[in-house]
Amino acid sequence: AQSVTQLDSHVSVSEGTPVLLRCNYSSSYSPSLFWYVQHPNKGLQLLLKYTSAATLVKGINGFEAEFKKSETSFHLTKPSAHMSDAAEYFCVVSDYSDMRFGAGTRLTVKP
Amino acid sequence: NAGVTQTPKFQVLKTGQSMTLQCAQDMNHEYMSWYRQDPGMGLRLIHYSVGAGITDQGEVPNGYNVSRSTTEDFPLRLLSAAPSQTSVYFCASSSGTSGGKQYFGPGTRLTVT
Repeated sequence: AQSVTQLDSHVSVSEGTPVLLRCNYSSSYSPSLFWYVQHPNKGLQLLLKYTSAATLVKGINGFEAEFKKSETSFHLTKPSAHMSDAAEYFCVVSDYSDMRFGAGTRLTVKP
Repeated sequence: NAGVTQTPKFQVLKTGQSMTLQCAQDMNHEYMSWYRQDPGMGLRLIHYSVGAGITDQGEVPNGYNVSRSTTEDFPLRLLSAAPSQTSVYFCASSSGTSGGKQYFGPGTRLTVT
């Protein structure tokens, strides 16, 4: 069975500083990996996905993630946080028919 | 395109009542799924379908039934509601399997008293 662990339930950064949200996964297959974002009282929006092409994946709003097979990690980064980035972020691992979500990381951005 | 629609947006049930959460998509997607979202647990897959007439269980299927008679619709039935089913429910669809981008509905907030 596959699983996802988001290593931090809450991350707090100052506006303009880098963001790092950590995700480790476990999968028996070559997985697809995703990051989704959920703003308060909103639905989920896809930030980016990895499907065995380039290991560095660029997403929307300046986010990117690097797939590291040796470390089974798929950490999400952004060079400079904006206030509008405050939200909950979910790392997701998927094989053919099953998607598993991490528990989520709440990102707070301080002015 | 309306995308993925869910009804109702809010629902309060008494323990033991049954109800159906509706989900529809107009993108001709084969893959549809239901999740529940609980604090600190992310989203957990309840049931999914890879096409009309084909459904399968996800991570937390107990207490829920689904059917897929058409490509567009994927209703989720609660047979006998329990307080543990208080949650926010999301329906999603994608054009491929779960490896493709999923489009999520706005969610249904269900409270069981």
